[in-house]
Amino acid sequence: DTAVSQTPKYLVTQMGNDKSIKCEQNLGHDTMYWYKQDSKKFLKIMFSYNNKELIINETVPNRFSPKSPDKAHLNLHINSLELGDSAVYFCASSPGPGEWDEQFFGPGTRLTVL
Amino acid sequence: GENVEQHPSTLSVQEGDSAVIKCTYSDSASNYFPWYKQELGKGPQLIIDIRSNVGEKKDQRIAVTLNKTAKHFSLHITETQPEDSAVYFCAATLLNTGGFKTIFGAGTRLFVKA
Repeated sequence: DTAVSQTPKYLVTQMGNDKSIKCEQNLGHDTMYWYKQDSKKFLKIMFSYNNKELIINETVPNRFSPKSPDKAHLNLHINSLELGDSAVYFCASSPGPGEWDEQFFGPGTRLTVL
Repeated sequence: GENVEQHPSTLSVQEGDSAVIKCTYSDSASNYFPWYKQELGKGPQLIIDIRSNVGEKKDQRIAVTLNKTAKHFSLHITETQPEDSAVYFCAATLLNTGGFKTIFGAGTRLFVKA
């Protein structure tokens, strides 16, 4: 059974479009995250939700809007896509937002903006 | 804010040799240091972690050491095998307003030559 799943796996789109990436976890975790990994493999946190509440919001353009309809889902909507948004986006989940909570990552969504 | 530096960026070893990856962190308040392995086309996966009250931890061929005074921590892989080839990330957790966030190093691409 897939623990953390993301759809789509690949997303190719034109500049200016709006797109969404979906994430689901079946681990019963309370906390979910979105990370961005650039072409140099640098992994940076974007958002974190705990029990559907936003708890971490890094310096991310407000074109990016996360939504958590329930604890098992965290979606990422991106408006007015730009070339610099091209990256691999990873969803992750952890039992809670605690210091030692292990994070489980999804397989990633490779976004290419043309 | 927390900064995690990781070296080297690329490491090539012969099968059976040891590999060492070193990291430093900037915020003395960090108490938890996980290591993740990312295989091609997959999300990062936790392989070992260490807490600040411990100086060393070992799990089969993998060991981590922590020098809290110097703010250094290292990953040691012994008897490397081709399947160890991957990108390895060190990380440190830091208390944020709503919870803990994980700051990742830039990654080390390990090649194990058969």
